[in-house]
This record gives sequence, C-alpha cells and structure tokens, in this order.
Amino acid sequence: DIQMTQSPSSLSASVGDRVTITCQATQDINNYLNWYQQKPGKAPKVLIYDASNLETGVPSRFSGSGSGTDFTLTISSLQPQDFATYFCQQSYSAPRTFGQGTKVEIK
Amino acid sequence: QVQLVQSGVEVKKPGASVKVSCKASGYTFTSYGISWVRQAPGQGLEWMGWISGDTNNTDYAQNLQGRVTMTTDTPTNTAYMELRSLRSDDTAVYYCARSSSLESSGWYDYWGQGTLVTVSS
Repeated sequence: DIQMTQSPSSLSASVGDRVTITCQATQDINNYLNWYQQKPGKAPKVLIYDASNLETGVPSRFSGSGSGTDFTLTISSLQPQDFATYFCQQSYSAPRTFGQGTKVEIK
Repeated sequence: QVQLVQSGVEVKKPGASVKVSCKASGYTFTSYGISWVRQAPGQGLEWMGWISGDTNNTDYAQNLQGRVTMTTDTPTNTAYMELRSLRSDDTAVYYCARSSSLESSGWYDYWGQGTLVTVSS
C-alpha cells in the first residue's frame, strides 16, 4: 500500500497568512494527488485534484503543486472560513489512501 | 444539482451487520462510480472501497475483505455498503462519495452527509 504522510499535523496561523501543507507518498504517484478540506461535523470537500487543478467553485487562494512523491497545498491568504482540517489522498492505486490530516487553527 | 443522501444513524451490537444506503440524484448514476470512506471519532479518513455505477465491479480495501459488500440498485440510483461481523473499532461515520469518473481512480467530487454507525454492547 502507498502511505501518505502530511506535515505538519497541525498549525496555528492568522488571517492573511500564507499557509503551506506538504504531503509525501512512499512511491511515485505521478500527479494522482487530491486535496480535501473538512470542517467539524461535515463531509470532506475537494479543493484540488490531480495535484494542481482547482475544483470548480474553490477560491483561487488555494493552489496545489508537485509530482512524483512530493506535493504541496498552499493557501495564499488565509481567510476565517479556511480554518479546518486538510487531507491529501492518492488516487494512483488501490487502496486510495489518505494522509493523516493537517488541522489549521486560529493563532 | 448532484446530491448523495445517506440513511440514518445506526446502533449495532458486536457481531451484527449494518447496511448503509446512499441515494444519488442530479446525474446519470451509471456514468460514475461510488466510493465509501469512513472516519472513526477524532480520526482521519479511511478508504473502504469502490463500486462501478454500471457494471457492479468492486474494489475493496484488503483489511475489510470478507466483511464488506458494496452493491448498487440502478433503478433507484442507490448504492449500498454492508459491513458484517461488526466490532467496536468499526464505530465511525461512513461516507459515500461520487468518484469523478466511472473508474476506481479519480477524485471524490460529491459526498453524502455521512452515517454514524456505533457498535456497542
């Protein structure tokens, strides 16, 4: 199975900050990497698919990059509604494993 | 608009089975797959498996093989996930999600609201 490791596990940031979350795969997954946002008590929501494609309706302050084994989610200017937990997921092969999550909290 | 509506809260005893439904609307059911993901309390997301919307092909997580069955009923646009021989560590919120294509790969672009399954004696 491909293991996905996110870092950090949690971070504190202020509104307006630039935030970067990384995700590393244990083997080459090409660009088959997706990012989800989850708020408490809610289902996850896709933000970025295939490493760098912004899902329709997602604000442009979210961006993704990377290929192979190393990937990054960037929020260019953190907004109050962005405080949530973020998960990466590889869709290269089954089982379609998720990272352990990164909780973004208010500083 | 695309919607996935799941069945309600379940409380089961260890050793029992649970069957969660996921009714889809707003798109052609047979053109996409449905994946199931669960989340134990305070934990991360665990991929359980996938079922094709048209052929009933399935792909299950190895750790659930033999205990899980995913099915669809195309006349009612409903997907089902049955989990047997329940244990306390199966307590979780279970989500269905639409795969972005008919294949097992892809991202999950629409999600159900989640179904809490509690396993307790």
